[in-house]
Amino acid sequence: QSALTQPASVSGSPGQSITISCTGTSSDIGSFNLVSWYQHHPGKAPKLMICEVTKRPSGVSSRFSGSKSGNTASLTISGLQADDEADYYCCSYAGSSTYVFGTGTKVTVL
Amino acid sequence: EVQLVESGGGLIQPGGSLRLSCAASGFSMIGNYMTWVRQAPGKGLEWVSVLYTGGSKYYADSVKGRFTISRDDSKNTLYLQMNNLRAEDTAVYFCARSPNFGDGMDVWGQGTTVSVSS
Repeated sequence: QSALTQPASVSGSPGQSITISCTGTSSDIGSFNLVSWYQHHPGKAPKLMICEVTKRPSGVSSRFSGSKSGNTASLTISGLQADDEADYYCCSYAGSSTYVFGTGTKVTVL
Repeated sequence: EVQLVESGGGLIQPGGSLRLSCAASGFSMIGNYMTWVRQAPGKGLEWVSVLYTGGSKYYADSVKGRFTISRDDSKNTLYLQMNNLRAEDTAVYFCARSPNFGDGMDVWGQGTTVSVSS
């Protein structure tokens, strides 16, 4: 159950697009289309942004999108805004009814 | 309003036990998959345990044999019994809901803090 690998930090200017990668293995991301993404402002409850790789829950801005290729999932934030500044975590089903989170990425809006 | 509220955290000595609670309102836990996730100081989120709708329970290797997840349907409350606590269990513990298998966790509590220290 090793954590999925994410870049520690990603930054961008307002209006730009950024992409956060989440690399796992053939036992988790590579085997299941069950990747979700969470936005977490420290001290608050995490918020679901993407589920099942590409699905956006009701109420989540269309500026957030997800994708997957092989063992790597990605979250793209387009039209970056100041309140997008937060920590972002991917999470994948890892088989045998277990789950694994990513190491987390701090997004900074310059 | 759909809400989860955790409680039961505190300061505990290594080897001690603690039971966390997660009270749900606005929905019934019975039809949902309920999960515990933790975040150690300065670290990322870590999946801890899940209780499936059918009652099956699963745990991360790091807590297997020490933690037990359960649910009281009459109180619409989820629990995490934590035994033989270690310093590395120090974290904020969140409970979260998934409506169906494979869905993401769409409702989260604010978390309760557990500190394991002598």
